Amino acid sequence: NAGVTQTPKFRVLKTGQSMTLLCAQDMNHEYMYWYRQDPGMGLRLIHYSVGEGTTAKGEVPDGYNVSRLKKQNFLLGLESAAPSQTSVYFCASADLSRRHQPQHFGDGTRLSIL
Amino acid sequence: SQQGEEDPQALSIQEGENATMNCSYKTSINNLQWYRQNSGRGLVHLILIRSNEREKHSGRLRVTLDTSKKSSSLLITASRAADTASYFCATGLNSGGSNYKLTFGKGTLLTVNP
Repeated sequence: NAGVTQTPKFRVLKTGQSMTLLCAQDMNHEYMYWYRQDPGMGLRLIHYSVGEGTTAKGEVPDGYNVSRLKKQNFLLGLESAAPSQTSVYFCASADLSRRHQPQHFGDGTRLSIL
Repeated sequence: SQQGEEDPQALSIQEGENATMNCSYKTSINNLQWYRQNSGRGLVHLILIRSNEREKHSGRLRVTLDTSKKSSSLLITASRAADTASYFCATGLNSGGSNYKLTFGKGTLLTVNP
């Protein structure tokens, strides 16, 4: 039981390049989330999904797009990377078929934009 | 904007001592959760307390919630070097329909010295 798996773990990009971060969960959770973590800022929600085929904006969505074509996968895309997007990105999933459930996190993708 | 704010930002104690971290928030919540993050890893859920609960225990962890003061505290008793990590509070709120989200604070860095 892998839980939440994020790929890649590390990546260095040049300004203007594009890339996709992949999050996969094997817990059959409906809800999935993408966060970014910056020093001294805690976690900030980028986008989230409440089910297959749905996405919604979080607190800091600009510069990112997401897709949830399959229930188990949630993709985060950067169309034209900027240095301000240098961060650690975390994916999480949750089973909210019952109330008051925790989120389960992956180990993060460390992304540097030069 | 950040919902939860942890206090203190950093805490250093000796092994065997108790560690207390506080969290304040601004708006109504459905629940409040505490997470731990070891260096270079994802967040791990520790404990969840519902808005109608006042105190909860799990092993060496004790969480209190005072909704009138919009504050919570996490107590770790008999600390161990392995408790060294960052601790985050997160407030859970269903803002309508299926829109359930967590809002994280900036965290408390706990160092337990052997």
